[in-house]
Amino acid sequence: GAVVSQHPSWVICKSGTSVKIECRSLDFQATTMFWYRQFPKQSLMLMATSNEGSKATYEQGVEKDKFLINHASLTLSTLTVTSAHPEDSSFYICSAPPGGRSSETQYFGPGTRLLVL
Amino acid sequence: GENVEQHPSTLSVQEGDSAVIKCTYSDSASNYFPWYKQELGKRPQLIIDIRSNVGEKKDQRIAVTLNKTAKHFSLHITETQPEDSAVYFCAASRGSNYKLTFGKGTLLTVNP
Repeated sequence: GAVVSQHPSWVICKSGTSVKIECRSLDFQATTMFWYRQFPKQSLMLMATSNEGSKATYEQGVEKDKFLINHASLTLSTLTVTSAHPEDSSFYICSAPPGGRSSETQYFGPGTRLLVL
Repeated sequence: GENVEQHPSTLSVQEGDSAVIKCTYSDSASNYFPWYKQELGKRPQLIIDIRSNVGEKKDQRIAVTLNKTAKHFSLHITETQPEDSAVYFCAASRGSNYKLTFGKGTLLTVNP
């Protein structure tokens, strides 16, 4: 149980375009999902907390107009990188707690590797 | 906000030896401490976690200890195997549906 999927796994795009990444909880409902970014050989940095039915909460220094988050349902959150630039190239990973008694535990999606040319 | 420090950044051991990774946290309200293993290019995988009402937890070759007073927790891997080689991250959280704050990671290499 507690499976999280992401799509796409890889994306290459031109500078200035927008990219949408989906995060799905496959066998549980998630009122909260988290989006992280990981640069090579670095740790996971939280970008924002996605809340079903309300606005996302962004971490300090993360531009909310550039990284649009929509938690459309209890099983889907999307991250849209708008007007992507080469410095946005990174590994984007979502996570979700399965709820109930294990709601502290977070399970990660497989990640999306973004390369902006 | 929470700050998690992790040491060492790299650790090299011989197969069969033990490995210990240590973390400290700053937020006294944190009450959940998971450890993740991440292989190159893959997602972080939860390997063990501990809650603040417990001082130690063990799962086969892996154990975690927590000292709430000192605000530090440690991962212990015994009888290491080459497949244990990966990056290990500690994290801290205030609990249910709360964000995780990660340490910078430890690259563990187990030499055959």
